[in-house]
Amino acid sequence: DTAVSQTPKYLVTQMGNDKSIKCEQNLGHDTMYWYKQDSKKFLKIMFSYNNKELIINETVPNRFSPKSPDKAHLNLHINSLELGDSAVYFCASSHSPFLTMSGQFFGPGTRLTVL
Amino acid sequence: RKEVEQDPGPFNVPEGATVAFNCTYSNSASQSFFWYRQDCRKEPKLLMSVYSSGNEDGRFTAQLNRASQYISLLIRDSKLSDSATYLCVAPTGGGNKLTFGTGTQLKVEL
Repeated sequence: DTAVSQTPKYLVTQMGNDKSIKCEQNLGHDTMYWYKQDSKKFLKIMFSYNNKELIINETVPNRFSPKSPDKAHLNLHINSLELGDSAVYFCASSHSPFLTMSGQFFGPGTRLTVL
Repeated sequence: RKEVEQDPGPFNVPEGATVAFNCTYSNSASQSFFWYRQDCRKEPKLLMSVYSSGNEDGRFTAQLNRASQYISLLIRDSKLSDSATYLCVAPTGGGNKLTFGTGTQLKVEL
């Protein structure tokens, strides 16, 4: 009965490779997010989708491309991986994009290591 | 002023102590705020939300001071299991984005 799930949990890859991370939520939420948490533990939003439409696109290299096939899924594809991409990537979801009392619910994270 | 600012700690307290964390925010238009808890190598989990003067849930009390633009989290009767990083979160960007503070680390000791 996992609420927000991500795969894979760990990803170790070489510089220059292309990789994808998948996220699914079974909470019936309309809005999903990708966050990056770096080695200093700072959690920063990257993208947000509301009902399959992109609504937040922070200053992220265009090597990162999110895709939402339906409102329960949000995937993240990363091209030409760099050392600085090493981080934990969290997927999250919320009832709506207007965050009143409900907050966001996070997946377990994908720990990406680029060698 | 940073959008959300917290003292990183660590706060080392004995079991049973009362501990309080403060967090300041810059966007005076923000309406509701959150405290998340993050354990080592785990995802952040929603602990409490606060939108009026305050909110209480068992040993945890969150308070909001709009005039001074800060929120606080009070933990009474600390348990070893309360050891974690506590993230202060405020809505920004017109309310559809959450900005997380860098977190305050709490260590509860025997």
